Amino acid sequence: GQNIDQPTEMTATEGAIVQINCTYQTSGFNGLFWYQQHAGEAPTFLSYNVLDGLEEKGRFSSFLSRSKGYSYLLLKELQMKDSASYLCAVRDSNYQLIWGAGTKLIIKP
Amino acid sequence: IAGITQAPTSQILAAGRRMTLRCTQDMRHNAMYWYRQDLGLGLRLIHYSNTAGTTGKGEVPDGYSVSRANTDDFPLTLASAVPSQTSVYFCASSSGSYNEQFFGPGTRLTVL
Repeated sequence: GQNIDQPTEMTATEGAIVQINCTYQTSGFNGLFWYQQHAGEAPTFLSYNVLDGLEEKGRFSSFLSRSKGYSYLLLKELQMKDSASYLCAVRDSNYQLIWGAGTKLIIKP
Repeated sequence: IAGITQAPTSQILAAGRRMTLRCTQDMRHNAMYWYRQDLGLGLRLIHYSNTAGTTGKGEVPDGYSVSRANTDDFPLTLASAVPSQTSVYFCASSSGSYNEQFFGPGTRLTVL
């Protein structure tokens, strides 16, 4: 079967750094996406990795290791507005996205 | 219109009733998708369309049907709603299956 695992919830302090991990087992791999979803809103695209390594985009970075079936999203200089759920999704051999249940990130002052 | 719109925003429906959720995009994206999101579960694909005139089944298609008569519109129909179809439904689109998906604001559906 196909499986995406993420922690259910994480807590971090404003101004700090947090790493959200994602491990996956899917039928084929054609890229990994991270999305942000604020409560009651739609998911919005954050990052995309298809090759191993780190992709940096401002305060957010995403890392991929295909051999380990592992990715992480790194958020730096946390702001209160970063309180949201972060969704990991893998594009499988059929080019469909398989989604993790999401990690709810709580930022405390 | 800018991006993707969905209607209605929310709906309470009696079991057994027929319901169509509407989705329209103005980005001229070829691919469109319908997902449901339930607490504690990831987004699950119901149906998709890679281009106008074609549709395909996702992970949880039973009880749902779709059509794609043109590029912009991708309605989702529940022929006879059941309480287990209570969920938040998101429509999404992408310029191709290789690219990121853009999501509509969602429809919160309650079936009683």
